[in-house]
Amino acid sequence: NAGVTQTPKFQVLKTGQSMTLQCAQDMNHEYMSWYRQDPGMGLRLIHYSVGAGITDQGEVPNGYNVSRSTTEDFPLRLLSAAPSQTSVYFCASSPNGHGTDTQYFGPGTRLTVL
Amino acid sequence: GQQLNQSPQSMFIQEGEDVSMNCTSSSIFNTWLWYKQDPGEGPVLLIALYKAGELTSNGRLTAQFGITRKDSFLNISASIPSDVGIYFCAGQTSGSRLTFGEGTQLTVNP
Repeated sequence: NAGVTQTPKFQVLKTGQSMTLQCAQDMNHEYMSWYRQDPGMGLRLIHYSVGAGITDQGEVPNGYNVSRSTTEDFPLRLLSAAPSQTSVYFCASSPNGHGTDTQYFGPGTRLTVL
Repeated sequence: GQQLNQSPQSMFIQEGEDVSMNCTSSSIFNTWLWYKQDPGEGPVLLIALYKAGELTSNGRLTAQFGITRKDSFLNISASIPSDVGIYFCAGQTSGSRLTFGEGTQLTVNP
């Protein structure tokens, strides 16, 4: 298994541009989530999904959209990038979304918005 | 929203020393997790705690779930250079939504 994969690893955008961060997992996990990591603030939950066709907002959802058309993929869309969205983005998955599941993290996407 | 206070923010220690870090919260959690993040990588789970009072070890790492369910600590014994990284605590209530602490940056001098 490849685990959780994320593309791209690095991205530079101009303010106002849109882009999609890709996340895929091959472990047949039901639960997937997106976090952003900023210095001194730990990881903050953006959006999450408990299964295909179901998504919900996390702690910091503004400026981001997600969809979950398949179990494997959970893309994160930035509709109009802003400098405040400069961050490292991590995707994570866990088997079935219950409180005792281990969450597996991808390697991250480092995004800079100019 | 829920917040976790993790301390210390950073630690500089000599190889062989023991390390202790902790997390406290104003909210009750059902699960406490400790992750380690190496530079350029995603967090990796070290220890998961599921019951109040639980004490769990993983090699040189020991973590405890506080009796009040509002705190947890992580100890690393006999530190080695590869222990360098950022350590995060995370609390979990219902479902899989995690609340992370701010992280403890550990530096180990050989």
